[in-house]
Amino acid sequence: QVQLVESGGGVVQPGRSLRLSCAASGFTFSNSGIHWVRQAPGKGLEWVAVISYDGSYKYYADSVRGRFTISRDNSKNTVFLQMNSLRADDTAVYYCARGDLAYYFDYWGQGTLVTVSS
Amino acid sequence: DFIMTQSPDSLAVSLGERATIKCKSSQSVLYSSNNKNYLAWYQQKPGQPPKLLIYWASTRESGVPDRFSGSGSGTDFTLTISSLQPEDVAVYYCQQYYSTQRSTFGQGTKLEIK
Repeated sequence: QVQLVESGGGVVQPGRSLRLSCAASGFTFSNSGIHWVRQAPGKGLEWVAVISYDGSYKYYADSVRGRFTISRDNSKNTVFLQMNSLRADDTAVYYCARGDLAYYFDYWGQGTLVTVSS
Repeated sequence: DFIMTQSPDSLAVSLGERATIKCKSSQSVLYSSNNKNYLAWYQQKPGQPPKLLIYWASTRESGVPDRFSGSGSGTDFTLTISSLQPEDVAVYYCQQYYSTQRSTFGQGTKLEIK
């Protein structure tokens, strides 16, 4: 069965960095795009970034462009989200989801919580 | 940029009654070359990730009960639950995936039992 498992969340001070991972199984990972979506406490869903199946296309929300970098390692079935210069308003549960460019998200992970606080 | 606006923000419906949630896009999500609306609906229960319910505006995901249906085209869409069940209490989100470079969600509609 399709599984997406996020890891790497935690408490970090403003201005510091964190790297999230999304480990995939149960499908042909190298054929699938992957998105990151976040949800601040008590708030709605915010799309963050997407990477195409081969890593050749990467797109970001305005709120994170220049600070976050999405990448993937198809040999390890894993997508990464490198988050630099973290701010308090980056505090959220971060989900990874399967979906190609211009496609719906059919599977989601359980999420990992990132808290940015001094 | 696409702005997705849902209405209402919250909704209370009696068990067995119909629930209707609207989603309006600031731009059309209908792609003329394939006549598909790039619009999805998700359900999120507390402490859980979102779950895909409907894609291409009206196609029900496998395993989703047939009391859930989606309709609409262009900029105006509707999610309908024909007969509300206790397990349908959740927050519902619409999403446009027309934009290759930036997907967008509506603000969410909280559905409760009256």
